[in-house]
Order: sequence, then structure tokens, then C-alpha cells
Amino acid sequence: GDSVTQMEGPVTLSEEAFLTINCTYTATGYPSLFWYVQYPGEGLQLLLKATKADDKGSNKGFEATYRKETTSFHLEKGSVQVSDSAVYFCALINTGKLIFGQGTTLQVKP
Amino acid sequence: ETGVTQTPRHLVMGMTNKKSLKCEQHLGHNAMYWYKQSAKKPLELMFVYSLEERVENNSVPSRFSPECPNSSHLFLHLHTLQPEDSALYLCASSPTSGGEETQYFGPGTRLLVL
Repeated sequence: GDSVTQMEGPVTLSEEAFLTINCTYTATGYPSLFWYVQYPGEGLQLLLKATKADDKGSNKGFEATYRKETTSFHLEKGSVQVSDSAVYFCALINTGKLIFGQGTTLQVKP
Repeated sequence: ETGVTQTPRHLVMGMTNKKSLKCEQHLGHNAMYWYKQSAKKPLELMFVYSLEERVENNSVPSRFSPECPNSSHLFLHLHTLQPEDSALYLCASSPTSGGEETQYFGPGTRLLVL
């Protein structure tokens, strides 16, 4: 069945460092891909999405490109802030079913 | 502000209690979902409703009973829960079910069963 694999955390970075969180997927057909973020004590917020190959989703300085050839959707940000500390979930949706990765905890230190 | 609200935000209940979780969406969507988020486990889809009809039930124990009186409201009725049911319960909505539209989540209800 379809699945999403994320790099294990926690990821600890200093403020202004470059962030990459790896995400790869397995799916039949052509899923849409998402990154959701969960701040401490809150629910999931949609961060960005891409609906077809080579699409780039972007929001709040975060970017991810839908790479069909490598079945990847890695999340990047050029300069992280303390306020970016959260859990990040990669997800795909295929035939109406939303499937999440395990989540990656990001901690940014001042 | 996602347009999906959930109440209460926190709930503590004993194993013999009966309580209900409420979700309301203000996005004009026709599909609503309940998910369970437990520590160190992936999000688990529990129920899917489309136009107030239940279209999916992922082998959820009968002590969880969903209700969707209209396309804007979704309830999860709880009774005789177990401590392992303690988790964050998330509600989501999307324009329709079965497609690839974005699901929008509420803030969740954190449930503790004693």
C-alpha cells in the first residue's frame, strides 16, 4: 500500500541554519503531496503542497519540490528561526486517503 | 485560523464516563474526518463522513461513536473508554471525500482517560 517515510528526528539546529527534512513516498498513481506542521499543543496546519511532478510548494520561507523520479518531497528552509520549532509531517493523498509520515521534530536554538 | 474548531480542547474522563467531542467547520466543505494521534505513532484515520453519510470506519472500537448531523458539524461520542484511548483527537474537513483535495485540521482535543 501507499506509504510515507520521513527522516527520524529530532533535528536540532541553531537559528539561521539551513534546514532539510527528507521525505520519500511510495504510491500508485499520481498522489498530491503535503507538508503539515504541528506547533506544541496545537493541531496540524497545512504548510505547503504540490499536486503534480516538478511542482514546488512554498510558504513562510519553506519550500518542497515534487520529484517523481526520486519519489521525494524534501522540505527546505534557508534560515530557520526559533519560532519554527515544531513537528513536521509529510503526507500524501491518493484516492481520497491521506497518509502521513511519522513526523520529524525540529528544535531551533537561539 | 483554519476554519475548523474543536471543543473541548482538553478533556479528562474516567473509564465509566460518557462524553462527546465536537467539531465544527466554517469552510463550506462536504467531507469531515476524525483522526487519532497517539504518542510515537502515525496519525490514524478513524472515520470519514461525506454529506453526512459515513463512508469509512477504520475498524474503530464501538466505544467510539461518531455522529454527523449536518455537513458543518461532527461529533465523537465516547463511552467506557480505556486508558490506551488517551490521545489527541483531530477533526478535519475537505471539499469532498475520495479526491485529492487538501484536508484542513482543527486544533484537536487532548483526551486523558483515567
